Amino acid sequence: QVTLKESGPGILQPSQTLSLTCTFSGFSLSTYGMGVGWIRQPSGKGLEWLANIWWDDDKYYNPSLKNRLTISKDTSNNQAFLKITNVDTADTATYYCARIVVRYTTDYYYVMDAWGQGASVTVSS
Amino acid sequence: DVLMTQTPVSLPVSLGGQVSISCRSSQSLVHSDGNTYLHWYLQKPGQSPQLLIYRVSNRFSGVPDRFSGSGSGTDFTLKISRVEPEDLGVYYCLQSTHFPYTFGAGTKLELK
Repeated sequence: QVTLKESGPGILQPSQTLSLTCTFSGFSLSTYGMGVGWIRQPSGKGLEWLANIWWDDDKYYNPSLKNRLTISKDTSNNQAFLKITNVDTADTATYYCARIVVRYTTDYYYVMDAWGQGASVTVSS
Repeated sequence: DVLMTQTPVSLPVSLGGQVSISCRSSQSLVHSDGNTYLHWYLQKPGQSPQLLIYRVSNRFSGVPDRFSGSGSGTDFTLKISRVEPEDLGVYYCLQSTHFPYTFGAGTKLELK
């Protein structure tokens, strides 16, 4: 069974750096074809993809957040991380991590098939 | 970025009824590998999104056959037949063919 759980600071002030952790089980980020993605959702609004990291450490970012994002992983501890620098109130949202199945056996999927429960983040002075 | 246009925004339904949700992309979602990476999710109130359909028409594990996906290129549809109370929530389409990944704005399925 695949499970993911996000953790974060809850509240932080504008201009600070947001650090999020995704702790997962049921798969390994060292397994060929696996990945983890981050997605956020402001309250009452839609979903925005932020970043992905693959098993081979390839990383992809949403250019709308310019150079503020950094995604990383700790394979031995089954964790993935996301940092967002210089936050402001527009970064207030629920942040989700999700497993991405990139490739399984001989076929490609690029699908987020399991999501965490989400971590609520509020940016306020 | 690929714009995903979902319609309708709100969809009133009677239990046992059938509905369709449309998702149109601003460019073709056919990947260079020949696959089309268009997926459908349901977000129930207070929950995280759950995968229903992957790669246009494949039902995810445990998803009832009341859900079906179809389409190609830039035009995709999710159909739900015999709507049950647990089907209520917001439906999103997601394209993962092109970076950045983009979601539709959502369709809220609610009772009439």
